[in-house]
Amino acid sequence: KNQVEQSPQSLIILEGKNCTLQCNYTVSPFSNLRWYKQDTGRGPVSLTIMTFSENTKSNGRYTATLDADTKQSSLHITASQLSDSASYICVVSAGAAGNKLTFGGGTRVLVKP
Amino acid sequence: EAEVAQSPRYKITEKSQAVAFWCDPISGHATLYWYRQILGQGPELLVQFQDESVVDDSQLPKDRFSAERLKGVDSTLKIQPAELGDSAMYLCASSSVEASDLGNEQFFGPGTRLTVL
Repeated sequence: KNQVEQSPQSLIILEGKNCTLQCNYTVSPFSNLRWYKQDTGRGPVSLTIMTFSENTKSNGRYTATLDADTKQSSLHITASQLSDSASYICVVSAGAAGNKLTFGGGTRVLVKP
Repeated sequence: EAEVAQSPRYKITEKSQAVAFWCDPISGHATLYWYRQILGQGPELLVQFQDESVVDDSQLPKDRFSAERLKGVDSTLKIQPAELGDSAMYLCASSSVEASDLGNEQFFGPGTRLTVL
C-alpha cells in the first residue's frame, strides 16, 4: 500500500529561525513529489514539485530536497516569518500518468514572535 | 488569477439531514477531484471526474455520498443522511492536464467545513 509519513507532526519555532520538515514515502511507481502549504481553513497551495531526477528545488525561503534512493524528502524553511504558520503536506504521485496522489498527514508549523 | 470556487464555506447540520456542496473548477480544467480532510490529517480522495465521467470513486461511501458533474464543468457532492463522522473539511481540486500526462498539478479550492451535530 502506498504511504507517505511526515515528521514531526507539529513544531513551534521562533520568528527568524530555520526549520526542516521530513517526508518518507513508500510509493510505487514514483512519478513526482510535491510540498503543499495549507493555511488554516484554506485549501493547500503547491510550493515545490520534484521529479525522480531532481534532488533540490527552491521557492523563495522554501527549499525542498529529494533522495529517491532512500525515498525521503525534506522541506527547509529559512528565516521563518509569522506567515509561515501553516500545515505543510507532502504529496507523492504514483503511476505512469502521475495522477494517483498519496498525501502525508502534514506537519503543523507555528511561528512565534 | 483563476481559482477554484467552493460554497458554502461553512455548513452546520444535524445528523440524518441532507447536505450538498458545490464546486466550480478553474475554467478549462477537465479533471475535478473531491477530497475529505479530517482535522490534523491529509486529504483523502473521494471521487475524481474527467469531464463528466467518474474516473475513480473507489473511496466514496456510496450508500450515503453521491457526486455529479453533469455538464463537465461544476460539480456537486451530496451526503444523505449525514452522520457525526462526516464532520470534516471537503476540498475540491481541479487540474488541466489529461490523465495520461505527467506532473499534473492540482489546484485546490478553499474548502467547505462541515460540522454534523
